[in-house]
Amino acid sequence: KAGVTQTPRYLIKTRGQQVTLSCSPISGHRSVSWYQQTPGQGLQFLFEYFSETQRNKGNFPGRFSGRQFSNSRSEMNVSTLELGDSALYLCASSWGTREQFFGPGTRLTVL
Amino acid sequence: AQSVTQLDSQVPVFEEAPVELRCNYSSSVSVYLFWYVQYPNQGLQLLLKYLSGSTLVKGINGFEAEFNKSQTSFHLRKPSVHISDTAEYFCAVSEDTGGFKTIFGAGTRLFVKA
Repeated sequence: KAGVTQTPRYLIKTRGQQVTLSCSPISGHRSVSWYQQTPGQGLQFLFEYFSETQRNKGNFPGRFSGRQFSNSRSEMNVSTLELGDSALYLCASSWGTREQFFGPGTRLTVL
Repeated sequence: AQSVTQLDSQVPVFEEAPVELRCNYSSSVSVYLFWYVQYPNQGLQLLLKYLSGSTLVKGINGFEAEFNKSQTSFHLRKPSVHISDTAEYFCAVSEDTGGFKTIFGAGTRLFVKA
């Protein structure tokens, strides 16, 4: 079974731009969660989607948004990028056992 | 609100020595507990999990952890470490309120020396 895939793996943007990251969960997994990892703040929960509905949300500004499609693939969008948005963005999928399977991440650099 | 505290940011240890990475959590409801490992430039890999039942949990690569509800701890142990265990280890907690809102600790960098 293929693991969680994230695209792109690396991304460079400038301040003020917007970015969309994609996550394809393991086949059969209906829950997709997103996390931001930075050296200063560690791993922080962004949001979780289940069956196309946002089920949980972390404490991030409205510039961070996401969605999930009927095939469980998920995208997250960050608008009006700031320097502090530079981070590794991790996606994780699950099918109900509370065990989350993580993708390799997308490293976003904002210049 | 739930929180996770990893008591050591870095743990240096010699190869073949035992190691314990400490984790304490705070929550007002039932929780599920996890330990993940992250190697450089990679995502997180699950080492072990506590969902219910026996408080001593065995995971991959010879790691084990013990859930102590009274002390709200979930310390990770390995009796003999290898150079290849050098990595960042994260303790995580997920509350039993539906969904998968998982809170991670700040991480402990395990450095195994020859």
